[in-house]
Amino acid sequence: GDSVTQMEGPVTLSEEAFLTINCTYTATGYPSLFWYVQYPGEGLQLLLKATKADDKGSNKGFEATYRKETTSFHLEKGSVQVSDSAVYFCALSALNTGNQFYFGTGTSLTVIP
Amino acid sequence: KAGVTQTPRYLIKTRGQQVTLSCSPISGHRSVSWYQQTPGQGLQFLFEYFSETQRNKGNFPGRFSGRQFSNSRSEMNVSTLELGDSALYLCASSLDSAYNEQFFGPGTRLTVL
Repeated sequence: GDSVTQMEGPVTLSEEAFLTINCTYTATGYPSLFWYVQYPGEGLQLLLKATKADDKGSNKGFEATYRKETTSFHLEKGSVQVSDSAVYFCALSALNTGNQFYFGTGTSLTVIP
Repeated sequence: KAGVTQTPRYLIKTRGQQVTLSCSPISGHRSVSWYQQTPGQGLQFLFEYFSETQRNKGNFPGRFSGRQFSNSRSEMNVSTLELGDSALYLCASSLDSAYNEQFFGPGTRLTVL
């Protein structure tokens, strides 16, 4: 079945460091891919998305490129801030599975000043 | 546009009781999904409703049930509560398409004593 595998955390970085959170997926169809962020005490918020191969999603300095050949959607940011501390979830959704969303296990990021 | 709302935000129950949680989706969204989030198991899919019909179901016991009303509002019910049901229950709504993201509510924090 469809699934998402995410890099294990927690991840701790110094402010202004480069961030990569790895995400790979398994899907029988042609999924859309998403990154969500969850701040403490809140629900999940969409960070970015890509709906077809080679699309790049971007928002608030974060980027991810839909790579069909490597079935990956890695999240990157060139310079993290303390306010980026949160849990990040990779997810997919596909028409052939009734638009059900499949989430990764989440990666906790802490950015220290 | 108002976001997804969930009520109540916090609940404390004792083992053996039952509980009903409510979710109001974004206006125009007909798909509502429910998730259970715990530190140990992460984000787990419970079920999804679309136009008052359960369309997808996760791997949870029959004690977990839900329904959706004609105005797309949804409720989930947990009967015979167990200690392990303590979790954050998240509701998400979306337009019915694999290209459309899910919008999450703030969640209901359920504590079972």
